Amino acid sequence: DVVMTQSPLSLPVTLGQPASISCRSSQSLLYSDGNTYLTWFQQRPGQSPRRLIYKVSNRDSGVPDRFSGSGSGTDFTLKISRVEAEDVGVYYCMQSTHWPPLTFGGGTKVEIK
Amino acid sequence: QVQLVESGGGVVQPGGSLRLSCAVSGFTLSHYDMNWVRQAPGKGLEWVAFARYDGTNNYYADFVKGRFTISRDNSRNTLYLQMNSLRADDTAVYYCKTDSNAFDAWGQGTMVTVSS
Repeated sequence: DVVMTQSPLSLPVTLGQPASISCRSSQSLLYSDGNTYLTWFQQRPGQSPRRLIYKVSNRDSGVPDRFSGSGSGTDFTLKISRVEAEDVGVYYCMQSTHWPPLTFGGGTKVEIK
Repeated sequence: QVQLVESGGGVVQPGGSLRLSCAVSGFTLSHYDMNWVRQAPGKGLEWVAFARYDGTNNYYADFVKGRFTISRDNSRNTLYLQMNSLRADDTAVYYCKTDSNAFDAWGQGTMVTVSS
């Protein structure tokens, strides 16, 4: 199974400042069709998860453009250009290239300093 | 408006069974692959099972193989998860979600507690 490793576990950020979350996979997520199936989810406190980014860098409808995804192979990053109060929560990466099983990272908790 | 509504959770003794349902509206279930994902209290997300849109293929996490069965009734727009031989470490919120690059939606989750 592909192991997804996120860092940091916790990320205190000042409002208006940037934030960056890393996600590393134990093997390349490049699929034979040329796509890389790496997804980012946000889970606000007390809510269900919500997809932010799919296939590394494609933002979902309604997701603010301060969120961006990048990376390739085994190394991926979610960036928030200027953190707002509503961005507090836990962020997860997930791979769906080598499945089953789908595998998630352990999560990164974003909080305001 | 897209909605996924899980039901069927509750408290069950170890070794017992539960059947979860996920009723969808606002989209046609038969057009989408679906997953069950769970989250133990205070823990991260864990994939449980997958059902192809037409019911032809199902896949399971190793830790539920032989105990859980995913199924769907597209005519009723409902996804199911039959859970047998439940263990304490199956305690979690269970979410149904779509599996599509074009469209990602989650339910609000249903809590399953396995305890004597």
